[in-house]
Amino acid sequence: GESVGLHLPTLSVQEGDNSIINCAYSNSASDYFIWYKQESGKGPQFIIDIRSNMDKRQGQRVTVLLNKTVKHLSLQIAATQPGDSAVYFCAENKGDFNKFYFGSGTKLNVKP
Amino acid sequence: EAGVAQSPRYKIIEKRQSVAFWCNPISGHATLYWYQQILGQGPKLLIQFQNNGVVDDSQLPKDRFSAERLKGVDSTLKIQPAKLEDSAVYLCASSLAPRVGEAFFGQGTRLTVV
Repeated sequence: GESVGLHLPTLSVQEGDNSIINCAYSNSASDYFIWYKQESGKGPQFIIDIRSNMDKRQGQRVTVLLNKTVKHLSLQIAATQPGDSAVYFCAENKGDFNKFYFGSGTKLNVKP
Repeated sequence: EAGVAQSPRYKIIEKRQSVAFWCNPISGHATLYWYQQILGQGPKLLIQFQNNGVVDDSQLPKDRFSAERLKGVDSTLKIQPAKLEDSAVYLCASSLAPRVGEAFFGQGTRLTVV
């Protein structure tokens, strides 16, 4: 994804609402995708993954949707909590050696 | 299970100085990555090791950056000489093997070059 420098896209939601974070990926040959959560001062933390042979995968309070036609990935967080406030990155896996390429991220602010 | 360990957590150096970062991956993880994360951006892959061999270093500025993974376990990333634009968080990550699941990240080293 194209870097947006210091101006991260920001999504502000009310506690308890559902959040949808979007990501466009670049390579139609990518076959594995991961969503990471990064809190301030910490490394990225795995949330959920999906392979290209799937359209949807659900975890605990999170759902990832994959639309290969338009090369789009989304992360849905149900009943968003203050602890969900972080920067969210999608990462795509290209090639044979588990290389992950990250998008530029979306900052999620959860208002109490 | 212990996570990926990195040190130091913070480092401030003057431009043209040298600096080294250390990473200890999760035990048994064959694949090790170094990423550079500039403020407000996503992590950018610098180098990937499989055991002690380099798989990909296409985005590593080799005129000033070097990395090694002796014995296929710990790794060090060095910058010599540092430039102002090297100010970033340097993240180390590891995964069990190629094509096996997610990479686990350390907390990173925040480098400030003044």
